[in-house]
Amino acid sequence: DQQVKQNSPSLSVQEGRISILNCDYTNSMFDYFLWYKKYPAEGPTFLISISSIKDKNEDGRFTVFLNKSAKHLSLHIVPSQPGDSAVYFCAASGGGYQKVTFGTGTKLQVIP
Amino acid sequence: DAGVIQSPRHEVTEMGQEVTLRCKPISGHNSLFWYRQTMMRGLELLIYFNNNVPIDDSGMPEDRFSAKMPNASFSTLKIQPSEPRDSAVYFCASSSQRPIGAEAFFGQGTRLTVV
Repeated sequence: DQQVKQNSPSLSVQEGRISILNCDYTNSMFDYFLWYKKYPAEGPTFLISISSIKDKNEDGRFTVFLNKSAKHLSLHIVPSQPGDSAVYFCAASGGGYQKVTFGTGTKLQVIP
Repeated sequence: DAGVIQSPRHEVTEMGQEVTLRCKPISGHNSLFWYRQTMMRGLELLIYFNNNVPIDDSGMPEDRFSAKMPNASFSTLKIQPSEPRDSAVYFCASSSQRPIGAEAFFGQGTRLTVV
């Protein structure tokens, strides 16, 4: 049972345009959400997070939006750069244990 | 700090053999995680240690998998006997953040191939 779902395995975007990566979750106990970025042959690196008390968190070119009623979050990258090409994992935690659960990832390709 | 260090980076072994993956977490981090990455399931948490004590091993797929953390600077994940379906990339991560595992630092992973 996949509690964190990234339904788009891949996404291609032109350099300079906006990249929007989507993530859905099913567990209503989740109250903390994260995005990780992964380059080939490297481990994932933390990118940005958001608590359920917020609906938006911004860090430079990266913004995460949270829609709790829809159990949906998205990561916006503006403007997209070729160096952003990577696999992006959505993750969530919540409840007493707060174990982090990851999605299957979306591979972003930014075309120069 | 050198970050989370995993060894080996690549491991090719024959079915039925024992495989041991190693991890050195970041100094000062009190939580350590072993993850497995596959195309179908993404990153799955196998086991989580807090202060060297296994807290949750519900993600360990079978009794063939075992993990230890004898001290704060070293952990192992062992598969015995290994099977072809164990082929995946195994990541170790460490963290000192709350929620547990949030903003964890990952190692570069061990790519395991069982033939």
